[in-house]
Amino acid sequence: GENVEQHPSTLSVQEGDSAVIKCTYSDSASNYFPWYKQELGKRPQLIIDIRSNVGEKKDQRIAVTLNKTAKHFSLHITETQPEDSAVYFCAAKGWSNYQLIWGAGTKLIIKP
Amino acid sequence: SQTIHQWPATLVQPVGSPLSLECTVEGTSNPNLYWYRQAAGRGLQLLFYSVGIGQISSEVPQNLSASRPQDRQFILSSKKLLLSDSGFYLCAWFRGDTEAFFGQGTRLTVV
Repeated sequence: GENVEQHPSTLSVQEGDSAVIKCTYSDSASNYFPWYKQELGKRPQLIIDIRSNVGEKKDQRIAVTLNKTAKHFSLHITETQPEDSAVYFCAAKGWSNYQLIWGAGTKLIIKP
Repeated sequence: SQTIHQWPATLVQPVGSPLSLECTVEGTSNPNLYWYRQAAGRGLQLLFYSVGIGQISSEVPQNLSASRPQDRQFILSSKKLLLSDSGFYLCAWFRGDTEAFFGQGTRLTVV
């Protein structure tokens, strides 16, 4: 079955710098890759997603890149702000699956 | 629009007591529904999912069970809670084949 690995588990960056979180997946049939943000004590919420027919997608300060050949995808956050502090989860899903396979999460800390 | 409700938000239960968490979805029919558990500082562990009334798939053997008595209702239960059942429980619904929407979560503390 699908397996998703996420790195790093914790990332600390200075406010204003960029942050990059990386995920790899094992099933080449996976075709949907979302990223979720979970603030402390809150529910995870979708922040950006990408499908396998696209290599990159941007939404203001957030971007996701996908390398299908290498089977990895990354979340990029530029000009980080204190409110970006949260746990970020990546996930992967194929057409035949009923579920998302989740990465273990990355705790992003923005230092003032 | 579609919404997902989960309750209660917080629960403190003694070891050996029963559990019932309820999740309902509005604004859609025949949703795929999921129960996740999240231990403190950890990732999302899928417990159960359901693609229709009475259809439950279990991902992790444990003392928890799930039921789907109605199309838009998903219930997580236990007959006797263990200390290790403490955690943050999340109900989720998938819109179409993509985005997952989560309930507000239930923080369960077993004492």
